[in-house]
Amino acid sequence: GAVVSQHPSWVICKSGTSVKIECRSLDFQATTMFWYRQFPKQSLMLMATSNEGSKATYEQGVEKDKFLINHASLTLSTLTVTSAHPEDSSFYICSARPGLAETQYFGPGTRLLVL
Amino acid sequence: RKEVEQDPGPFNVPEGATVAFNCTYSNSASQSFFWYRQDCRKEPKLLMSVYSSGNEDGRFTAQLNRASQYISLLIRDSKLSDSATYLCVVNPGYALNFGKGTSLLVTP
Repeated sequence: GAVVSQHPSWVICKSGTSVKIECRSLDFQATTMFWYRQFPKQSLMLMATSNEGSKATYEQGVEKDKFLINHASLTLSTLTVTSAHPEDSSFYICSARPGLAETQYFGPGTRLLVL
Repeated sequence: RKEVEQDPGPFNVPEGATVAFNCTYSNSASQSFFWYRQDCRKEPKLLMSVYSSGNEDGRFTAQLNRASQYISLLIRDSKLSDSATYLCVVNPGYALNFGKGTSLLVTP
């Protein structure tokens, strides 16, 4: 149980393109989903926290207009990187938390390369 | 000061060795603590939670010292498959704070 999927697993795009990443909880309802970013040899950095049906809470330094998050249902959250640039190239990982449980379950991540 | 600090390693140990990782955290109000394992180019996976009383799961033992704000992970009888990056994770109450991880390489 507690499986989280992400799609796509990797994407290569041109600078200026917008990229949408989906995060789904497959066998549980996720009240809260989290989006992280990890650069090579760096720790996972929380970008934003999204609760179903409400606006996402962004961490300091993360541009909400650039990283659009939609958590429209209890099993799906999407992250859209708008007008991606090479510096946005990174490993984007989502996690989902069922209800009030503390444990987060991570998706397999999406590797984004912006040329 | 970083919220969660770990020695990045790498730790190179032979099979069968015992290895210990340490981690310190800065937020004294932190409520829960974890060790995650991350394999190369993969997502983190929960290894174990860390409790004040200390806890053991097979070859893995985790300890928490709240007074010193210090967490440890001990791996006994290392296996080749233990090679990975071990992430110290602290929850200050609203989200998970990850350390950069300690890299372990177990050699034959």
